[in-house]
Amino acid sequence: DAEITQSPRHKITETGRQVTLACHQTWNHNNMFWYRQDLGHGLRLIHYSYGVQDTNKGEVSDGYSVSRSNTEDLPLTLESAASSQTSVYFCASSEDRGRTDTQYFGPGTRLTVL
Amino acid sequence: RKEVEQDPGPFNVPEGATVAFNCTYSNSASQSFFWYRQDCRKEPKLLMSVYSSGNEDGRFTAQLNRASQYISLLIRDSKLSDSATYLCVVSSDTGRRALTFGSGTRLQVQP
Repeated sequence: DAEITQSPRHKITETGRQVTLACHQTWNHNNMFWYRQDLGHGLRLIHYSYGVQDTNKGEVSDGYSVSRSNTEDLPLTLESAASSQTSVYFCASSEDRGRTDTQYFGPGTRLTVL
Repeated sequence: RKEVEQDPGPFNVPEGATVAFNCTYSNSASQSFFWYRQDCRKEPKLLMSVYSSGNEDGRFTAQLNRASQYISLLIRDSKLSDSATYLCVVSSDTGRRALTFGSGTRLQVQP
């Protein structure tokens, strides 16, 4: 069955370290997204991609980067982790079928920055 | 002002009750509307899309009022398994664009 996976599921790191969160989908979807979820804020968009070599900034992109070298993967990198980046991170994907593209979410990565 | 606003709840209702959630959005260019469901510490999952004419899926009914920029979700005959957080979601572009999520409304159905 097609799916979307994230790894690691839990990560503890220290301030200043570089961290990469992996996202892999087997639906062959063109669109991929990264969100973070914090209490009181809901899900906020970090970066998104509409296809290979395409990346775009979302509303909370500072301190994060992504690259899209193939259809299946969109890794999220925290260049220098900060305590404010402690959050739950969700990756999602969707295909281009038109007006109501359902987004399918991965199980999430819980990141703690000490 | 948040782009999508919801009452955070929690809504505590007995089994069998009817409960309604409301949501307002600020971007009049929004074109697609959804309700997602999120169980505790899990990923969001699509519950239903919301169409201009209103739509129903079993016990769930969604309504959209574009003039008032208002979306609603009605759940009839609540089940214990309906306990979750319900996220109001809008998209400002047709199809491809990322979604904007409300903070969610928490529902607790009690026996």
